[in-house]
Amino acid sequence: AQSVTQLDSHVSVSEGTPVLLRCNYSSSYSPSLFWYVQHPNKGLQLLLKYTSAATLVKGINGFEAEFKKSETSFHLTKPSAHMSDAAEYFCVVSEANQAGTALIFGKGTTLSVSS
Amino acid sequence: DGGITQSPKYLFRKEGQNVTLSCEQNLNHDAMYWYRQDPGQGLRLIYYSQIVNDFQKGDIAEGYSVSREKKESFPLTVTSAQKNPTAFYLCASIPSDRRAYGYTFGSGTRLTVV
Repeated sequence: AQSVTQLDSHVSVSEGTPVLLRCNYSSSYSPSLFWYVQHPNKGLQLLLKYTSAATLVKGINGFEAEFKKSETSFHLTKPSAHMSDAAEYFCVVSEANQAGTALIFGKGTTLSVSS
Repeated sequence: DGGITQSPKYLFRKEGQNVTLSCEQNLNHDAMYWYRQDPGQGLRLIYYSQIVNDFQKGDIAEGYSVSREKKESFPLTVTSAQKNPTAFYLCASIPSDRRAYGYTFGSGTRLTVV
C-alpha cells in the first residue's frame, strides 16, 4: 500500500532564504505525486504535480520539486522565501494502477517565514 | 469560473443534531470526495463517489452519510452518531484521469459543536 511521510512537521525560514520541505513516499507502482498548499481556513491549492514525465517539476509561485525514484523522495524547494509562502504544505501520492480510491495525504508541514 | 462551492463556511451544531454540509461543483468532474482535517493529522478520507448514485466509505466513515443524486452535488451529513465532529471539512473533485489533474478543492466548512 502506498504511504506518504513528510519529514518535518514545521519549518521556519527567513524571508529571502531557500525553502526545503521534505517528502518520502512508499508505492508499489509508478506513483503520481502532488504538492498542495493551504492557507489558514482555506481549501487546498495545487502547487505542482509529477505524473511520470520530467523528474524536475516546476509549479506555481516559484516552487519546484524533484522526483527521485532511487530515494523515493519528492522534496519541495523554492530558492527564495516570501512572506506570503507561510502556509501548510501537503505531499500527496496516488498509485497509477489503483482505481476507485482516493489520494493519500501526508500529515502536512507548516512553513513559517520571518522578516 | 469553474470550481467547487462549499457551504456554509462556518456551521455550529448542538449535541444530538444532524447537520448537512453542501458541496457543489461545475467542473463536470466524475469523482467527488469528502475529507476531514484536524490539527496535526492531515486530511482523512470520509467518503468518496466515482459516479452518480454510487459512493464508497473512506477511512473514517462512521457517523457520516452521503448521497450522490446528481453529478454536481455531493452533500455530507454529520449525524449524531459522530462523537467528535468539530473539524474542518473539505470537499474535492477530480476528472476521470486523476493522474494528470490532481484534485480541485472547495474552500471548506468549519463545523463546531456547541
